[in-house]
Amino acid sequence: DAGVTQSPTHLIKTRGQQVTLRCSPKSGHDTVSWYQQALGQGPQFIFQYYEEEERQRGNFPDRFSGHQFPNYSSELNVNALLLGDSALYLCASSYNTENEAFFGQGTRLTVV
Amino acid sequence: KQEVTQIPAALSVPEGENLVLNCSFTDSAIYNLQWFRQDPGKGLTSLLLIQSSQREQTSGRLNASLDKSSGRSTLYIAASQPGDSATYLCAVEGYNTDKLIFGTGTRLQVFP
Repeated sequence: DAGVTQSPTHLIKTRGQQVTLRCSPKSGHDTVSWYQQALGQGPQFIFQYYEEEERQRGNFPDRFSGHQFPNYSSELNVNALLLGDSALYLCASSYNTENEAFFGQGTRLTVV
Repeated sequence: KQEVTQIPAALSVPEGENLVLNCSFTDSAIYNLQWFRQDPGKGLTSLLLIQSSQREQTSGRLNASLDKSSGRSTLYIAASQPGDSATYLCAVEGYNTDKLIFGTGTRLQVFP
């Protein structure tokens, strides 16, 4: 079992650009959540996808959007990147929405 | 609004000591509480999950307890080792919400 996999591991983008991050959930999991973790802080919830729909959203602007595919994998898109978007982006998967969450290794995004 | 606090923020101990990490939360209406380990720049590794109906969970040298009424959880690490050095995060999931709310973590260093 490969666990939760995220790609890419590192990414450098310029202000104003757009970025897409990808996540494959753990085998048997159908729910994917995305978190943003700034340096020295705990992860902050961005949104969650279940059955290809956004179930819940945290306090993030509309520049952050996502998608879940029929195979349960997910993408996080961020438009009009700001310097403050630099962070570790974590994907978590679970079976259904209220079970133990397993996290991937994250994507380190640096906006310059 | 749920808030999660972890004390201490950092801890440095010699190898072999028994440790207690603390986590407190303001809203006792939680569905579960999860403890994670995070190595620098890496993703989260799930350590223990305690459902709201449980009082404690154990895995190897780790024991986590939960007191919902007082809004507290503790992670006990027995006979600490240098390999335990990492940041430990606790997170709670409330009823009718699918997101995890994290504390800012305790950074642990165990020296030989």
